[in-house]
Amino acid sequence: DAGVIQSPRHEVTEMGQEVTLRCKPISGHDYLFWYRQTMMRGLELLIYFNNNVPIDDSGMPEDRFSAKMPNASFSTLKIQPSEPRDSAVYFCASRQGRFYEQYFGPGTRLTVT
Amino acid sequence: EDQVTQSPEALRLQEGESSSLNCSYTVSGLRGLFWYRQDPGKGPEFLFTLYSAGEEKEKERLKATLTKKESFLHITAPKPEDSATYLCAVQAGISNFGNEKLTFGTGTRLTIIP
Repeated sequence: DAGVIQSPRHEVTEMGQEVTLRCKPISGHDYLFWYRQTMMRGLELLIYFNNNVPIDDSGMPEDRFSAKMPNASFSTLKIQPSEPRDSAVYFCASRQGRFYEQYFGPGTRLTVT
Repeated sequence: EDQVTQSPEALRLQEGESSSLNCSYTVSGLRGLFWYRQDPGKGPEFLFTLYSAGEEKEKERLKATLTKKESFLHITAPKPEDSATYLCAVQAGISNFGNEKLTFGTGTRLTIIP
């Protein structure tokens, strides 16, 4: 399996612009998680889906953040408008079932200037 | 609130010098404790899952152990390629649907000097 795929790997944008991050989970996995990693706060869960349905979005920092999962093989995390404090590495992870480990993608490094 | 504390923050060892990394946790019933390795510029890579106190798991030079309050990642005769940040995470055991969150520690940055 190719593992979790994320795109783009790097994104540089100006404050106020819309940013869309993409994720393809491992085939057959029914859970998908979006995380943000910063030096100050470490890895934080933003939102997760089960069978394409958002279950818990309590980690989404503001209404500027939104996530969708239109089908089992694709998810997006959108930030609009972006701000410099959104600069971080965003990871997508997937898992099969409730009692197993999560597998992470390579991440998207977002820089907002 | 679930909490995970890892120590030390950073550790430098000579090649072949064995040591242990600590992960202390406070959680409302533990469903699982996970160890991940993260290399610079990459996503966390899964190493182990531990489910109950007394459980141990091994992989090459790494061994993870679990008690009711903490977990240790023992590294025996490490090599330079073991250099990475090691992350610990816990998942609470509350059975109500929706509690799938992993709470991560901030990691231990391990450097093995040739």
